[in-house]
Amino acid sequence: RKEVEQDPGPFNVPEGATVAFNCTYSNSASQSFFWYRQDCRKEPKLLMSVYSSGNEDGRFTAQLNRASQYISLLIRDSKLSDSATYLCVVNMRSGNTGKLIFGQGTTLQVKP
Amino acid sequence: DTAVSQTPKYLVTQMGNDKSIKCEQNLGHDTMYWYKQDSKKFLKIMFSYNNKELIINETVPNRFSPKSPDKAHLNLHINSLELGDSAVYFCASSQPYRASGNTDTQYFGPGTRLTVL
Repeated sequence: RKEVEQDPGPFNVPEGATVAFNCTYSNSASQSFFWYRQDCRKEPKLLMSVYSSGNEDGRFTAQLNRASQYISLLIRDSKLSDSATYLCVVNMRSGNTGKLIFGQGTTLQVKP
Repeated sequence: DTAVSQTPKYLVTQMGNDKSIKCEQNLGHDTMYWYKQDSKKFLKIMFSYNNKELIINETVPNRFSPKSPDKAHLNLHINSLELGDSAVYFCASSQPYRASGNTDTQYFGPGTRLTVL
């Protein structure tokens, strides 16, 4: 079983749509959680951290359910510029050093 | 201002050759990493160095040898290149957890696309 599992998609949605991505992780000792965004042939960039209390950044809302080992990302009012691969990431910290475990990524294509 | 830079951006080479990829960060971070992203797009950690000391060494063939001359640089040398080494290699850096205000954010370089023929 993969340590972090995501539906690879692609998700094809029209502009303005609301789209949700889900992710599960296998190691209950995982300590912190993130969504990264990766554009085609570019490096991953941090989109947002994910907390149990849920957090929102503009059109993006992330949620963590530790009991179910489940992470979600909701994008409202999709823009063409949201087209990218969204990577679910968990961190296994060892002392002071993080070890990021990446999911395969979910591809989003927003169409006009 | 380039935060994490890698050279070269593209590397095409023959099987059996030895090659190096260089990484530099100007963020003042103590920790640097190498990741490999294969053709299926999985990003996997290979190595981590904290202030020139090896911290994480995943199950990577010993043909891969990281070298950290100082905490701002982490280079990756690969001996006897094989077809399966073709991938995009990303360098990243971060501050230690407690020094960063308790965050685990890592900053990635632009990647080096290695093609072994």
